Amino acid sequence: DTGVSQNPRHKITKRGQNVTFRCDPISEHNRLYWYRQTLGQGPEFLTYFQNEAQLEKSRLLSDRFSAERPKGSFSTLEIQRTEQGDSAMYLCASSLGGQGPYSNQPQHFGDGTRLSIL
Amino acid sequence: DQQVKQNSPSLSVQEGRISILNCDYTNSMFDYFLWYKKYPAEGPTFLISISSIKDKNEDGRFTVFLNKSAKHLSLHIVPSQPGDSAVYFCAASVTGNQFYFGTGTSLTVIP
Repeated sequence: DTGVSQNPRHKITKRGQNVTFRCDPISEHNRLYWYRQTLGQGPEFLTYFQNEAQLEKSRLLSDRFSAERPKGSFSTLEIQRTEQGDSAMYLCASSLGGQGPYSNQPQHFGDGTRLSIL
Repeated sequence: DQQVKQNSPSLSVQEGRISILNCDYTNSMFDYFLWYKKYPAEGPTFLISISSIKDKNEDGRFTVFLNKSAKHLSLHIVPSQPGDSAVYFCAASVTGNQFYFGTGTSLTVIP
């Protein structure tokens, strides 16, 4: 299977702990996105990489959140000092960046990491 | 500030009939629109997309229509099948950077 892979699928932790999630994108995709989804809502954009460069960050991404994509391959999302409000599904997606206007390509999502804060 | 809105949380349709899911947006700079389907405990699965230079795109049973003047997007599924029962999200972006998603419409296809 060459889809987007996310690990772990579930993470339960106590408030105040740090957590790290990993995303392995589709191998030829140069763009990688992180989203957060809560019940009854659509995915909310957190941040986006083109190759190893982090190009955009949402205001939702507080300074407790950090994302990296070393060497432009897999990515990690770390949340420090977790809070109750961080409980959500964290989704990763990847796409092949289009060349020029009107040449965008769709994002393909992993199955997410569900974070529960006790 | 919800830039992409799906005002119908749910929709029920008889098997074989047409399902029409609607989406409205506010940002006139959006130039790429997509529909995703989501089953429980899985990530969204890409269905179909449309660029702002088109007003219709068709892929098998799925057709997406774009009305730029009304800032309205719709997904038609014909004929609807029980396996189409899922939550459908529309999404929009400017040049494929940040994507904005609606809140989803839960489609139930009744056998």
